[in-house]
Amino acid sequence: DTGVSQDPRHKITKRGQNVTFRCDPISEHNRLYWYRQTLGQGPEFLTYFQNEAQLEKSRLLSDRFSAERPKGSFSTLEIQRTEQGDSAMYLCASSRSPEQFFGPGTRLTVL
Amino acid sequence: ELKVEQNPLFLSMQEGKNYTIYCNYSTTSDRLYWYRQDPGKSLESLFVLLSNGAVKQEGRLMASLDTKARLSTLHITAAVHDLSATYFCAVDLDSGYALNFGKGTSLLVTP
Repeated sequence: DTGVSQDPRHKITKRGQNVTFRCDPISEHNRLYWYRQTLGQGPEFLTYFQNEAQLEKSRLLSDRFSAERPKGSFSTLEIQRTEQGDSAMYLCASSRSPEQFFGPGTRLTVL
Repeated sequence: ELKVEQNPLFLSMQEGKNYTIYCNYSTTSDRLYWYRQDPGKSLESLFVLLSNGAVKQEGRLMASLDTKARLSTLHITAAVHDLSATYFCAVDLDSGYALNFGKGTSLLVTP
């Protein structure tokens, strides 16, 4: 399978805990994006990497959120001190052209 | 702030009928994207429209872009049940290609 992969697919955590998600992009894609999608809404942009450089962050990305893409390969998204409002589907996408290809997502439930 | 509006948000149509979904956006952009999402699944890229007047067709779906009117349409011809899904349009504004999504149109095709 050469598509975008994400791990884990589901995560249930208690409020206040830290969680980390991983995204593996399509191998030749230099751009990597994180989005968040809540029920009944379209995805909302969180942040974007070109190679290893994080070039853009949404104002939605509070200081509890941090993302990395070491060596321009896989990326991680960490949420510290989770809140119930963080419950959502976290989607990763990659591209080398305008068209973005999305992974299956990580569904986060904060109890 | 870029706003992307889709209508209708919900659409129930009979098999064999034709219908059009509209996507309006608030700021000049030459790039518009259509995605499909099945329940509990990630997003599948349908069309990438990169210039004024662009028209693309795939099977029973045809998408067009009018950048002067800031309007894209997704036309469904002779709908079949397999087209039941949520359809999102998205616009990007800058060279980073971060996508701004509409709220989606939930389509149900009934016999």
